[in-house]
Amino acid sequence: EAGVTQSPTHLIKTRGQQATLRCSPISGHTSVYWYQQALGLGLQFLLWYDEGEERNRGNFPPRFSGRQFPNYSSELNVNALELEDSALYLCASSLPFLDITSPDTQYFGPGTRLTVL
Amino acid sequence: GQQVMQIPQYQHVQEGEDFTTYCNSSTTLSNIQWYKQRPGGHPVFLIQLVKSGEVKKQKRLTFQFGEAKKNSSLHITATQTTDVGTYFCAGRKAGNYQLIWGAGTKLIIKP
Repeated sequence: EAGVTQSPTHLIKTRGQQATLRCSPISGHTSVYWYQQALGLGLQFLLWYDEGEERNRGNFPPRFSGRQFPNYSSELNVNALELEDSALYLCASSLPFLDITSPDTQYFGPGTRLTVL
Repeated sequence: GQQVMQIPQYQHVQEGEDFTTYCNSSTTLSNIQWYKQRPGGHPVFLIQLVKSGEVKKQKRLTFQFGEAKKNSSLHITATQTTDVGTYFCAGRKAGNYQLIWGAGTKLIIKP
């Protein structure tokens, strides 16, 4: 079974530019999550998509946006890049949450390392 | 707002010593998950606890969920170099679909 894939692996941009990061979930998973992980720090929740809709959003400015496509893949867009946006962006996918015993394990991709110069 | 506090931020141990990380929530959790992130890697699911007072073991790792379902711990016995990494807890508030992540505890083996 193929895991979560993300592209590109690395992305270098300059301040003010826009970045687009992509994620393909595990087959059968309908939920996709995006996280930002600055170097050496924890996971900061960005966005959660399920069945094509945004379910929840973390405490990030509107220039962080995304979408989920009919095939459940997802895209994260970051506009007007700032230096502090440099981080590892992780995507995770899971089965739909049904109840508290659901195996809604989040399976992470390898991440996209975004560097803003 | 909903938070899951995880302590300590770092723990330095000699190989062979034990390691423990704790997660505490201000509100009752419906379940809690634990993940491990190796240096340079991505988080990998370890286990999910659902029941009050639940204890689960995976070889040298012991996971506990508190009776009030507000706290959880991960204990590693006799650490090995392969245990190095950051351990995250992630709790789900009752009635809420969103996982709330702890800040992680980094396990460092002293040379």
